[in-house]
Amino acid sequence: ILNVEQSPQSLHVQEGDSTNFTCSFPSSNFYALHWYRWETAKSPEALFVMTLNGDEKKKGRISATLNTKEGYSYLYIKGSQPEDSATYLCASFGGGKLIFGQGTELSVKP
Amino acid sequence: ETGVTQTPRHLVMGMTNKKSLKCEQHLGHNAMYWYKQSAKKPLELMFVYNFKEQTENNSVPSRFSPECPNSSHLFLHLHTLQPEDSALYLCASSQDTSGRGTDTQYFGPGTRLTVL
Repeated sequence: ILNVEQSPQSLHVQEGDSTNFTCSFPSSNFYALHWYRWETAKSPEALFVMTLNGDEKKKGRISATLNTKEGYSYLYIKGSQPEDSATYLCASFGGGKLIFGQGTELSVKP
Repeated sequence: ETGVTQTPRHLVMGMTNKKSLKCEQHLGHNAMYWYKQSAKKPLELMFVYNFKEQTENNSVPSRFSPECPNSSHLFLHLHTLQPEDSALYLCASSQDTSGRGTDTQYFGPGTRLTVL
């Protein structure tokens, strides 16, 4: 059974700050790592699907890196804005299903 | 309407009630999923349907009964639930359930269920 861990659990930053958080997953039998952004009362929104060691993906001010050998992925947000406030989820595919972490709750103050 | 929709958005029911949650996807996908999120816990997979056939039952109690009449619709029938079943129930869809795990899942907004 996979265990996906995210840190920190919550993060409070000022508008304009850059920030990053971590997703840890078992490195054996790795298939894919997913990142989602989830605003309160809305649907989780897919950000990235990553499969290759060393891969880096970017979407606007948000980027993610992947290290499958050591079992971690970083999500970076450059110049955080209040609209970036959300919970960021990662999920690793294993045993035929996505295993989610608990998420990192980001709050960006104006 | 586009994406994945769920109804109702909120539901309060007693332990002896029978109710159903509905999910509809407008993306032409072949796979649909039910997830549960209890307070302070990660999203947990409950059921998977691929081309209307159930392919995963993640040891879910029989008081939860899924139904997938076609690839666009998914139901979760609820009966004799317990207060600890109170949670957010999310539906998702994907193109299919490839074993590579690269299919993006698209989620609905969820149904907030309270069992009294």
